[in-house]
Amino acid sequence: IVMTQTPLSLSVTPGQPASISCKSSESLLQSDGKTYLFWYLQKPGQSPQLLIYEVSNRFSGVPDRFSGSGSGTDFTLKISRVEAEDVGIYYCMHSIQLRTFGQGTKVEIK
Amino acid sequence: EVQLVESGGGLVQPGGSLRISCAASGFTLSGHWMSWVRQAPGKGLEWVANIKQDGSEKNYVDSVKGRFTISRDNAENSLHLQMNSLRAEDTAVYYCARDTQWPNYDILTGYFLVFDIWGQGTMVTVSP
Repeated sequence: IVMTQTPLSLSVTPGQPASISCKSSESLLQSDGKTYLFWYLQKPGQSPQLLIYEVSNRFSGVPDRFSGSGSGTDFTLKISRVEAEDVGIYYCMHSIQLRTFGQGTKVEIK
Repeated sequence: EVQLVESGGGLVQPGGSLRISCAASGFTLSGHWMSWVRQAPGKGLEWVANIKQDGSEKNYVDSVKGRFTISRDNAENSLHLQMNSLRAEDTAVYYCARDTQWPNYDILTGYFLVFDIWGQGTMVTVSP
């Protein structure tokens, strides 16, 4: 399964929204009714951190300005109001037996 | 504190071997699949391999099959990656990451979490 993210880079004014798209080459909906799509953020100089699990669930401690949506093969990560601490590279990933990351989307502040 | 700490990285010649390790603390390793994820300099994340809770199932990305072997020692709370026939393109930071608890759900969220805990990474450089 190939994961394709767009855009690959994003420059956002603080307080403005941002949106990242992730498309999979096959449906991520499994027979158990679950969709195994995750989002991670790698801040500069840090290890990646989990933001969103199973499409739309925020991980512990993740601010509510982050939201995930989508189904099947099309998914979106939205930041309602970008803050300076949100800079970094965002990755989507599927976990159907193997794991594959998208190419990453670099978010910077204008 | 839940923590993963990698060790064993370094400089190795092409064709050489290296074994990197990951020490887990603050949780029971045996309850989780575990993975290695790597990141070449200036590049994105690439999943490398994972291993089931009891070590009975292992999966690898195609580019390392036959060269890398993932293993674990639940009694020692440790994860390992034996890397043989190393190539320049294997140069990367290697992260240890806590994988799913499948077939069990995460007790706090009721979901299958994947890569909720990451180590700080260990650098592997393959160069003459």
